[in-house]
Amino acid sequence: QSALTQPASVSGSPGQSITISCIGTSSDIGSYNLVSWYQHYPGKAPKLIIYEGNKRPSGVSHRFSGSKSGNTASLIISGLQAEDEADYYCCSYAGSTTFVVFGGGTKLTVL
Amino acid sequence: QVQLVESGGGVVQPGRSLRLSCVTSGFKFTPYAMHWVRQTPGKGLEWVAIISYDGSSQFYAASVKGRFIISRDDSKNTLYLQMNSLTTDDTGVYYCARDFEDYGPPRYYFDYWGQGTLVTVSS
Repeated sequence: QSALTQPASVSGSPGQSITISCIGTSSDIGSYNLVSWYQHYPGKAPKLIIYEGNKRPSGVSHRFSGSKSGNTASLIISGLQAEDEADYYCCSYAGSTTFVVFGGGTKLTVL
Repeated sequence: QVQLVESGGGVVQPGRSLRLSCVTSGFKFTPYAMHWVRQTPGKGLEWVAIISYDGSSQFYAASVKGRFIISRDDSKNTLYLQMNSLTTDDTGVYYCARDFEDYGPPRYYFDYWGQGTLVTVSS
């Protein structure tokens, strides 16, 4: 069982917006502004799409955004496109004993 | 462009050892802390280990501490993971990943990843 809790799957139609939640605790998401999100196509290298909760690396589409409230982080994808169909993982720093925790991943299906 | 290429995976019996390598290119290796992250069957991603940019510090996930050793050879722009006393729970795809921050304290998020190398522990 992963330390961060994500829904196993979400789906949406092209053009719609979806939100993927990531529930942690006061020991990880709630204590540090070091939440990141990754897009992963099976067999490929994961890609950083959000860091520090709501920042986008250069080159990442503005359709991806992030937020955090308390112990929960969220990834929002707007204007869904077929190419967004992938697995998405949240991640948080969790202090100098555990270091890093991941969510179990969410499979996004574009209908 | 930045590239990370893992190798060294394979099939190994429980209790045996394996060494993974990650050859990097396209960036200055020295200033960056580096990580290993794995994806085990049916599970998501799991952080495994970090080595500081200067190699002076290494930290491990509880599940591998005492069995795995992370190291780096800056002259070869290469990251390593020595895996000892392997168990079936160690089966998975192992990725090397670059820490987002250079020179300073690591940020524990990963801006570049390799495509992974598969480790299968089975009798």
